[in-house]
Amino acid sequence: DAGVIQSPRHEVTEMGQEVTLRCKPISGHNSLFWYRQTMMRGLELLIYFNNNVPIDDSGMPEDRFSAKMPNASFSTLKIQPSEPRDSAVYFCASSSQGLTNEKLFFGSGTQLSVL
Amino acid sequence: DAKTTQPNSMESNEEEPVHLPCNHSTISGTDYIHWYRQLPSQGPEYVIHGLTSNVNNRMASLAIAEDRKSSTLILHRATLRDAAVYYCILRRGIQGAQKLVFGQGTRLTINP
Repeated sequence: DAGVIQSPRHEVTEMGQEVTLRCKPISGHNSLFWYRQTMMRGLELLIYFNNNVPIDDSGMPEDRFSAKMPNASFSTLKIQPSEPRDSAVYFCASSSQGLTNEKLFFGSGTQLSVL
Repeated sequence: DAKTTQPNSMESNEEEPVHLPCNHSTISGTDYIHWYRQLPSQGPEYVIHGLTSNVNNRMASLAIAEDRKSSTLILHRATLRDAAVYYCILRRGIQGAQKLVFGQGTRLTINP
C-alpha cells in the first residue's frame, strides 16, 4: 500500500496567491483529517471528513481556508489569498471509519512557505 | 474534551527502557488513550492505544492506572530511532467518526 499521499511536498508562494494542497487517502479509508503544524501552535486539527462529508471544521482558521472531498480518493485544502502566517507544514491523515479505536495514518506533509 | 499533561522533555540512554508518563485526571469512562509519535521531519505515527487494560504491541506497551487518571508508555529497549516527540491523546469513545486532537507532547532524546 502506498500510504497517504500528499502533494506537493514543498510549496513556495507569494502573499496573496492561491494555494491548493492535495491528499490521496489510503484506498478503502472513509475518514480524512487535515492538520497544520507550526512551532508556535504545534499540531492543529483543521477539519475532518467522514464518507466525503465534513464532520467538524471548527479548526479552520478563517474564511480564507476551504477544504473539499469530492470523492473517496481525493481531498484538497485551499488557501485564498495566502498570507505569510499560513506558512506551516500541512498534514493529511486517513483512517478506516474514523472510529475511536482506530489508528490514523499520516502523509509526509506539505511544507508551505508564503513570502 | 478531556486534556492530558505530559513532561515537555525526557532523556534516556540507548538500549535502556523508557517510561513516558501522561496524566489525564478528567478522563471520561468512554475515552480511549492513544499514543502517537513524530520522528524528525516526518508525519505523526501511531504507537498504541487502550481503554482500560494494559496493552502490548511490537512497538511499545501501554500501562493504564486502575483509576485511568494516568498512563505510561513503555519502550522496552530504546534505540536512537526512538528519538521523537511522543503525544498522549484522549479520544472520545462515542459513536461515529471522532477527531484526534494533539497536545504539546514529550520530546524524547536518546543518548548513544
